[in-house]
Amino acid sequence: NAGVMQNPRHLVRRRGQEARLRCSPMKGHSHVYWYRQLPEEGLKFMVYLQKENIIDESGMPKERFSAEFPKEGPSILRIQQVVRGDSAAYFCASSPRGELEQYFGPGTRLTVT
Amino acid sequence: GNSVTQMEGPVTLSEEAFLTINCTYTATGYPSLFWYVQYPGEGLQLLLKATKADDKGSNKGFEATYRKETTSFHLEKGSVQVSDSAVYFCALSDPRGSYIPTFGRGTSLIVHP
Repeated sequence: NAGVMQNPRHLVRRRGQEARLRCSPMKGHSHVYWYRQLPEEGLKFMVYLQKENIIDESGMPKERFSAEFPKEGPSILRIQQVVRGDSAAYFCASSPRGELEQYFGPGTRLTVT
Repeated sequence: GNSVTQMEGPVTLSEEAFLTINCTYTATGYPSLFWYVQYPGEGLQLLLKATKADDKGSNKGFEATYRKETTSFHLEKGSVQVSDSAVYFCALSDPRGSYIPTFGRGTSLIVHP
């Protein structure tokens, strides 16, 4: 059973460009969470999704950020018009049910130049 | 609301020393408690968990006991190795909080030969 897959592992974008981060959960997992980790800081929750539904997006910035988890295919975190402050590691995690432990992907390290 | 407080790092130890990383929590219900470990450049991995009071989670020589009376879940290991050098995150998942886990800020452990 493959683990949580994220791609790309590293992404470099210039200010103003769009960044698309992909996450494929573990097989059988229908709950996906996105987190952001800034240098020397802990994990900050961004959004919680189930297939075709956003359950909780209380941690998402109101502008430029969006997330989806379609019926088919990976979950996508999209950042429009990136700024230098968006540079961080973005982690995706999945679980089979909401109350169980989460399994993390290796992360996407976004650098905005 | 829910919160997790970990001791600040870095914790620096010599190989074979005894390790304790303190973690205390605040939660509205009866949460499950977790310790995750993050090695450099990687995502978080579940290290151990406990789902009810007095449960002891253990894995790879690490252990932690769910203490409801002191709202604590301290991580311990009797003899650390250089390969244990990583960042350790305490977390809780509260069924009354929509299951979105709350993470501590992380504690960096550095083990010298």
